[in-house]
Amino acid sequence: GIQVEQSPPDLILQEGANSTLRCNFSDSVNNLQWFHQNPWGQLINLFYIPSGTKQNGRLSATTVATERYSLLYISSSQTTDSGVYFCAVVNYGGATNKLIFGTGTLLAVQP
Amino acid sequence: DAGVTQSPTHLIKTRGQHVTLRCSPISGHKSVSWYQQVLGQGPQFIFQYYEKEERGRGNFPDRFSARQFPNYSSELNVNALLLGDSALYLCASSPDRANTEAFFGQGTRLTVV
Repeated sequence: GIQVEQSPPDLILQEGANSTLRCNFSDSVNNLQWFHQNPWGQLINLFYIPSGTKQNGRLSATTVATERYSLLYISSSQTTDSGVYFCAVVNYGGATNKLIFGTGTLLAVQP
Repeated sequence: DAGVTQSPTHLIKTRGQHVTLRCSPISGHKSVSWYQQVLGQGPQFIFQYYEKEERGRGNFPDRFSARQFPNYSSELNVNALLLGDSALYLCASSPDRANTEAFFGQGTRLTVV
């Protein structure tokens, strides 16, 4: 099955700093989503981005499907950005249309 | 608009007991999927239901079962609970079988003692 690797695994930032999170996947995908998991466990949708670039406020994402990676950019980070960031992919060629989650990036933003 | 709702939010059960978790999808969404997330890992797929039929099953034992009702809400049942079933159980709602842009509920945190 598809392997989804995220880097870095952990990241500590000072408030106001910028960061780039990466998601690599081992096979072609049809869907790709980025999520932020808050301290209470809820997965918050950030982007649905199977290809191309999107921006939402301080966050933006780019997926280059042909090269099998996606990037999540966080600018001017705030303490509320802390948590775990997951990318998740779907491959319609598999037995199910399940979301396959990456290994996650744990982000801590310090005041 | 109401998002995906799950109940209960927290649950403590004893080994060997049975548990039922519930999920209501976003209005208009016909697909519900269930995921298990243990501490320190990403969510793992358990089931997908679409139009009241099972459309996919992950690598979980037969103690895990689910169903989807005519109003597209869903239940996840786990029998003969083990300590290792302690986890966050997440429900995802999507408009179609392809799982285009899934949205998650707040989860049910199950502790088995």
